[in-house]
Amino acid sequence: DGGITQSPKYLFRKEGQNVTLSCEQNLNHDAMYWYRQDPGQGLRLIYYSQIVNDFQKGDIAEGYSVSREKKESFPLTVTSAQKNPTAFYLCASSGELANNEQFFGPGTRLTVL
Amino acid sequence: DQQVKQNSPSLSVQEGRISILNCDYTNSMFDYFLWYKKYPAEGPTFLISISSIKDKNEDGRFTVFLNKSAKHLSLHIVPSQPGDSAVYFCAASGNQFYFGTGTSLTVIP
Repeated sequence: DGGITQSPKYLFRKEGQNVTLSCEQNLNHDAMYWYRQDPGQGLRLIYYSQIVNDFQKGDIAEGYSVSREKKESFPLTVTSAQKNPTAFYLCASSGELANNEQFFGPGTRLTVL
Repeated sequence: DQQVKQNSPSLSVQEGRISILNCDYTNSMFDYFLWYKKYPAEGPTFLISISSIKDKNEDGRFTVFLNKSAKHLSLHIVPSQPGDSAVYFCAASGNQFYFGTGTSLTVIP
């Protein structure tokens, strides 16, 4: 089955700790994205990657880092510099063209205690 | 600055009636528009899309209308079913995707 997986579904961390959220896709998509969803807000773009070993900051990249060493994988690290990290994080991928639909993973709910 | 706006945070409709969800955008360079449906604690799933060269696209019970001069698109669901109850996001594509804030649709049996 082709798709996007994110793990874990729920994640708890203590304040001040870095945490890495995984995102894997087997759709052979070139582009991958990380979004954050907060109550009452739309999906806000954190980082995106159009191709392996390249990524760009989105609208709210501060306090986050990513890597794209493999086409299938786009992990997101939430660092201790992120002021308000508790949120629902969604990973997505799309084909080469910008107007292709994005396919989303199930999301990870991160709670920082 | 929000480039894609959904001004109605929630909508309730009786089963069998039409649901109309609205979306406005500010950037005339957007060339592709999409609607996603999202259940709680799940990722959004693609519903229907429309290119800027069209003004209507229909897929079963779902129809998306695009009014470029007004920078407005709408999603019509008819007839509405209880299983349609979810949050609906509109999205616009230029060099990247921009999402609205979502409208929570409740279809009352």
